[in-house]
Amino acid sequence: EDQVTQSPEALRLQEGESSSLNCSYTVSGLRGLFWYRQDPGKGPEFLFTLYSAGEEKEKERLKATLTKKESFLHITAPKPEDSATYLCAVRDFGNEKLTFGTGTRLTIIP
Amino acid sequence: EAGVAQSPRYKIIEKRQSVAFWCNPISGHATLYWYQQILGQGPKLLIQFQNNGVVDDSQLPKDRFSAERLKGVDSTLKIQPAKLEDSAVYLCASSLGAGTGELFFGEGSRLTVL
Repeated sequence: EDQVTQSPEALRLQEGESSSLNCSYTVSGLRGLFWYRQDPGKGPEFLFTLYSAGEEKEKERLKATLTKKESFLHITAPKPEDSATYLCAVRDFGNEKLTFGTGTRLTIIP
Repeated sequence: EAGVAQSPRYKIIEKRQSVAFWCNPISGHATLYWYQQILGQGPKLLIQFQNNGVVDDSQLPKDRFSAERLKGVDSTLKIQPAKLEDSAVYLCASSLGAGTGELFFGEGSRLTVL
């Protein structure tokens, strides 16, 4: 069974203080790894798809990277509006469903 | 472009009562998903439809949960009878196809079972 573990559970940063969120995964064959952002009271919003080790994707202050065992979401010089829960999910070959982690709750303090 | 519509946004019921949630996906999206998100956890897939056929319902508690997607467009998720542990947000999502990981989620329906 696919497993996704995210750390830390919660992270508080000062505005402008860069950091990284971790997503480690166990799958028999990775078909894709996905990052989502979820604001309170809202559904998750898609951010990135990564398919193979070494791949990187960027969007504004966010950069996602992938290795064979984990993915990192790097946030550079964050702003208060980056505060949200960031969810990681994986899809396995032969299995259509996405398996989500429990998320990292990120708070950026002005 | 209109997003995924869900209703109701909030519902409070007593245990053993029934409840139904409705979802209208983005126009043209063939795949529709129902997820359950318990507070502090990630979303868990309950059922996935491709058009009006079921692709995966392995985690749907079939003794109390049912879902249908008539005509391959909107969908209804029903819980009967509800248990305390069913308190959660029920998220509907849609995508162009089953092979993509880019899902578009609605705002969810928050269920509280007393």
